[in-house]
Order: sequence, then C-alpha cells, then structure tokens
Amino acid sequence: EAGVAQSPRYKIIEKRQSVAFWCNPISGHATLYWYQQILGQGPKLLIQFQNNGVVDDSQLPKDRFSAERLKGVDSTLKIQPAKLEDSAVYLCASSLNILTGAAETQYFGPGTRLLVL
Amino acid sequence: GQNIDQPTEMTATEGAIVQINCTYQTSGFNGLFWYQQHAGEAPTFLSYNVLDGLEEKGRFSSFLSRSKGYSYLLLKELQMKDSASYLCAVRDKNSGYALNFGKGTSLLVTP
Repeated sequence: EAGVAQSPRYKIIEKRQSVAFWCNPISGHATLYWYQQILGQGPKLLIQFQNNGVVDDSQLPKDRFSAERLKGVDSTLKIQPAKLEDSAVYLCASSLNILTGAAETQYFGPGTRLLVL
Repeated sequence: GQNIDQPTEMTATEGAIVQINCTYQTSGFNGLFWYQQHAGEAPTFLSYNVLDGLEEKGRFSSFLSRSKGYSYLLLKELQMKDSASYLCAVRDKNSGYALNFGKGTSLLVTP
C-alpha cells in the first residue's frame, strides 16, 4: 500500500515570496491534516479536512496561509507571503475517517522542509 | 486548550530499559498516541491507548491512567536504532478528533 506522498521535499525561498506544497493521502482516507513542525518542537495542526470540507482551521494563520482539497483527495497548502518564522517542516497526514470516533491512526508523509531566507 | 508535557532529552544504554513519561490536560480526551520520529523523517505510529492499562507490542509498551492524565512509553532491550524523538499526542473529541502533540523526548542510546 502506498503511503502519504508529498512534494517538494525541500524548498528554499526568500521572505515575501510565495510557496505551495502538495499532498496525496493514502487511497481511501477521508481525513487529511497539515501540520507545521518547527525544529525541536512537536507537530502543530494547521488544518484538518474531512473529504473536501474543513473540520478545523483554528490554528491556520489565514492572513498568509491557505489550503484546499477541492476533490476530496489531493491537497495543497500555500503560504503567501512567506516570513522568516515560517521556516519549518510541513507534514501532511491522513486517516481513514476520524469522525467515526474510532481509533484511527494518522499516517504521515515525509514532509516538505521549507527554509525562508 | 491542552498541556502536554514530556522530558526534553533522555540518555540510556544499549540493552537497557527506558521509560518516557507524558502528562496531559484535556477536556475531551479520546485517546493517547505515541509516535517515533528519527531525525529528518516523518513520525511513525508506535502505540495507542484509550482505556487505562498497559498495551504491549514487542519491545515497546505504553501505559495510560486517565484519572491522572498520565502515560508512559516503555522501551525494552534498547538498540542503537531506537535513538530518536518520541512524541506523545492526545486526541481531543472537542477539536475534530485532531492530535495535539507534545514537544517530543529526544532519546539517545549509547553503546
């Protein structure tokens, strides 16, 4: 079974530029998450989708970050404009269907390492 | 909100046993997860507890006490490859069942 795919794996940009990350979850997984992991910290949830609807985006800095999952499968996360403090690893994860309340494990992709100069 | 606390760093010797503790506070507890994360890699699932008690899985075991807001991950017969960060995460049913992670415990296994 293929895992969660993410691209690009690495990205270096200058502050005020824009960047986009792509995620393809495990086939059949309804729930998709984007996390930000700053060096030395645990992952912090940015946004959670259930199919193509947003379940929770309370920690997403909406003035510069946006995310979509238009067809309920792939997802993109965009930062515009980027700031120095956005340097982090952006992890995508998926699970079968979190809203059933069952013990659904989240599976993580390899992440995109972003460096903002 | 939630507070999840775990030690920042631990060191142990190859072949030994190590216990990594995690305490949490949450209003809508719906399970506690442990993930392992090697440097530069994605977190990988280790264990899940939703009821009190011990869950054993090979060399790894995880314990939960909901009344105390406490969990631990026990690693036996340590191997060098166990050097990694161990993340404690609590799922909250009041937040769309999302995971809230602690900062992680960096474990170094020495010869």
